[in-house]
Amino acid sequence: KNEVEQSPQNLTAQEGEFITINCSYSVGISALHWLQQHPGGGIVSLFMLSSGKKKHGRLIATINIQEKHSSLHITASHPRDSAVYICAAPLLGGSQGNLIFGKGTKLSVKP
Amino acid sequence: EPEVTQTPSHQVTQMGQEVILRCVPISNHLYFYWYRQILGQKVEFLVSFYNNEISEKSEIFDDQFSVERPDGSNFTLKIRSTKLEDSAMYFCASEDSYEQYFGPGTRLTVT
Repeated sequence: KNEVEQSPQNLTAQEGEFITINCSYSVGISALHWLQQHPGGGIVSLFMLSSGKKKHGRLIATINIQEKHSSLHITASHPRDSAVYICAAPLLGGSQGNLIFGKGTKLSVKP
Repeated sequence: EPEVTQTPSHQVTQMGQEVILRCVPISNHLYFYWYRQILGQKVEFLVSFYNNEISEKSEIFDDQFSVERPDGSNFTLKIRSTKLEDSAMYFCASEDSYEQYFGPGTRLTVT
């Protein structure tokens, strides 16, 4: 059964800073999700990645399957990036099925 | 772009009442999920649904909960007799056998 750990739990940054959020998991997987949760509670899927790196705008996600570790980077952070960022992995490993979620990283970007 | 929708966005109910939370998954998706997030806690898996039956359920998903796909498009979560501790955000997700797509959530408040 997979366990997902995120760090840091809270992160405060100045606008423009480069942000890194880390996620590690215990069971081998083929894909990992990064999600964004806004203050209102809604969840938006940012990335699902199975290897290497994906980029979307100022967001970059990387994964190292062998080391069971993934990172989410935000370049040139902006106050509108303030949200909770959550990583999630398949509960039983693999790439599909029920997800287990990290506790989330609460990011606050100050102007 | 197709998206998962959920209604209502916010439901307030009295303890002991029945509630039905509705989700419209992305058409052609075959796997459906309900997740729950109690305020301040991690998102948790409730139940997965495939081929018109439950494929997996968590310990949280007791006899008070049920799911169904009444008309081939909607996917519902029913709570028969709500308790105060059922207050949470409930997220629906659908999967195309590769990636899960999340709905915006329903905030359930039990008073």
